[in-house]
Amino acid sequence: KAGVTQTPRYLIKTRGQQVTLSCSPISGHRSVSWYQQTPGQGLQFLFEYFSETQRNKGNFPGRFSGRQFSNSRSEMNVSTLELGDSALYLCASSLETGMSYGYTFGSGTRLTVV
Amino acid sequence: GESVGLHLPTLSVQEGDNSIINCAYSNSASDYFIWYKQESGKGPQFIIDIRSNMDKRQGQRVTVLLNKTVKHLSLQIAATQPGDSAVYFCAERMTTDSWGKLQFGAGTQVVVTP
Repeated sequence: KAGVTQTPRYLIKTRGQQVTLSCSPISGHRSVSWYQQTPGQGLQFLFEYFSETQRNKGNFPGRFSGRQFSNSRSEMNVSTLELGDSALYLCASSLETGMSYGYTFGSGTRLTVV
Repeated sequence: GESVGLHLPTLSVQEGDNSIINCAYSNSASDYFIWYKQESGKGPQFIIDIRSNMDKRQGQRVTVLLNKTVKHLSLQIAATQPGDSAVYFCAERMTTDSWGKLQFGAGTQVVVTP
């Protein structure tokens, strides 16, 4: 079966712009979580969506937001981009919320802010 | 100024030897632990998991050990192969402040030499 699909794979944006990243979970998975990965901070939790509702949120500013659609696909948005937002953004899907079974990660979107 | 990135510990292993990767987790209330492997350019890949009511779990060529007394987790890889070269992360499911999210360790770089 298809894995977690993230689009686009690579993105270059300018400071001050906004960006939207997309994630399609594994078929049947209803929970989608987003992580930011940087060399300096490692893997940091952004938020989790389940049944179109945000269930958990990490310690990121309000410029980072997300949503989930009725088909479980999710998008995350970063507004007013800063150089420090350059990172690999990973999406992970799971059958249910609460993390009982572990995530399956996508390959990520590499965002570069210049 | 120049940002200081996480300095990943590196484990250098000869092909065919056994590898042991260690992880100290942070929260005594965490009840579920996962090991992930991340190869260059890819998202983290699930290896094996263990719940807090267990001390040991075995998979194919891998064993995870959990010592709750000292909050320590280890991953043993038998007969290490070149394809095992990657960064390995341990992750714990937080059950206190943000139930359901995963907190990742900094990671260990495993280099398999012929």
